[in-house]
Amino acid sequence: ETGVTQTPRHLVMGMTNKKSLKCEQHLGHNAMYWYKQSAKKPLELMFVYSLEERVENNSVPSRFSPECPNSSHLFLHLHTLQPEDSALYLCASSQDHGGQGAANTGELFFGEGSRLTVL
Amino acid sequence: GENVEQHPSTLSVQEGDSAVIKCTYSDSASNYFPWYKQELGKRPQLIIDIRSNVGEKKDQRIAVTLNKTAKHFSLHITETQPEDSAVYFCAASEGKLIFGQGTELSVKP
Repeated sequence: ETGVTQTPRHLVMGMTNKKSLKCEQHLGHNAMYWYKQSAKKPLELMFVYSLEERVENNSVPSRFSPECPNSSHLFLHLHTLQPEDSALYLCASSQDHGGQGAANTGELFFGEGSRLTVL
Repeated sequence: GENVEQHPSTLSVQEGDSAVIKCTYSDSASNYFPWYKQELGKRPQLIIDIRSNVGEKKDQRIAVTLNKTAKHFSLHITETQPEDSAVYFCAASEGKLIFGQGTELSVKP
């Protein structure tokens, strides 16, 4: 499947490590997203990029640092994480991002996720 | 901001029965309401969506209803099959998608 791919699929890291999650979309979309999925909790939006510009940062701690070098690639750099950051991190893309107050433009296409465990 | 509540958190039905999942939202400006299905170990995928100018939408065995006055919308699955077993998420948006907590549906053969 060539829609939205994420690597690595599984990552175990210590609290002092630095690692990165990678997302790539082959759909020609203009918007990309990072979501955090924890057990028994709703999908939490972390960051939104539209045309490579960050348009949303939902009060995410600075130990998470996103990077969007072009409209097809999105990274999440991880540094000095805490055990409570262990979760499934999902990347998604959509054709466009409507932004607050604008009509949502439709379907999110998710990657398979990166399962992160912080020891 | 928008807040979405989803119920029930778990639902178990017998194969062939119907399943209903309900969501409420708080922001009357929300105008787009998708439903996503996430099978175990898989990515969430859109199964149906509805916009605020429509009260009901149907696609084979699944349907969604929207009551804008009451600010709630529901997913209906008829003639359930074991492959319908998954976690279902509702969401509401007036630009930014806010997801509900999810419903784990189990269809017993």
